[in-house]
Amino acid sequence: QTVVTQEPSFSVSPGGTVTLTCGLMSGSVSTSHYPSWYQQTPGQAPRTLIYSTNIRSSGVPDRFTGSILGNKAALTITGAQTDDESDYYCLLYMGRGIVVFGGGTKLTVL
Amino acid sequence: EVQLVESGGGLVKPGGSLRLSCEASGFSFSTYSMNWVRQAPGKGLEWVSSISSSSRDIYYADSMKGRFTISRDNAKNSLYLQINSLRAEDTAVYYCANWYTSRGAYEYWGRGTLVTVSS
Repeated sequence: QTVVTQEPSFSVSPGGTVTLTCGLMSGSVSTSHYPSWYQQTPGQAPRTLIYSTNIRSSGVPDRFTGSILGNKAALTITGAQTDDESDYYCLLYMGRGIVVFGGGTKLTVL
Repeated sequence: EVQLVESGGGLVKPGGSLRLSCEASGFSFSTYSMNWVRQAPGKGLEWVSSISSSSRDIYYADSMKGRFTISRDNAKNSLYLQINSLRAEDTAVYYCANWYTSRGAYEYWGRGTLVTVSS
């Protein structure tokens, strides 16, 4: 069973920079996993932020950046705003139609 | 405007069945793979199942095999999820989303439909 790991929670000050990570309990994340990132606020549907590791979806501000850092995928928010307070989920494509979500990171901006 | 509208959720007794629907508009439904993703109350997102554009390829998360059946009707721009032998742990909001294959990611999401399994 594939387990995708994310920090359960993170806190950042307004205007600050934060990097959320997405790893595999067994192995390394690479671009072949097509890491993608989703933002979700309470009671709302997820919103696609980043796909194929580092490509921003239409309308996503450039303060959101995706990358591979070491053996993990990463989502960096530069100049965090209060509106960025949300849950963030990463998704990895494992091949043969199978995808796995990380457990999500609850980001607090204060 | 792209819309994905789920329906069919509700309160069901353990052991019961439900058929969820997702009606798509504003994009070329028949050319996309489609997925169901669920979220239990207070929990994270969980992939349920995917179906290719032609229905040729169908996949389920291991924990969903046997009780869940995904299907689609391209003529009606609709996606379905049949869930049998419902259990309390199936209580969740069920989202449909289209899968953008070349991006390896979801593009659009519906607002979800709530399934509550309780006696």
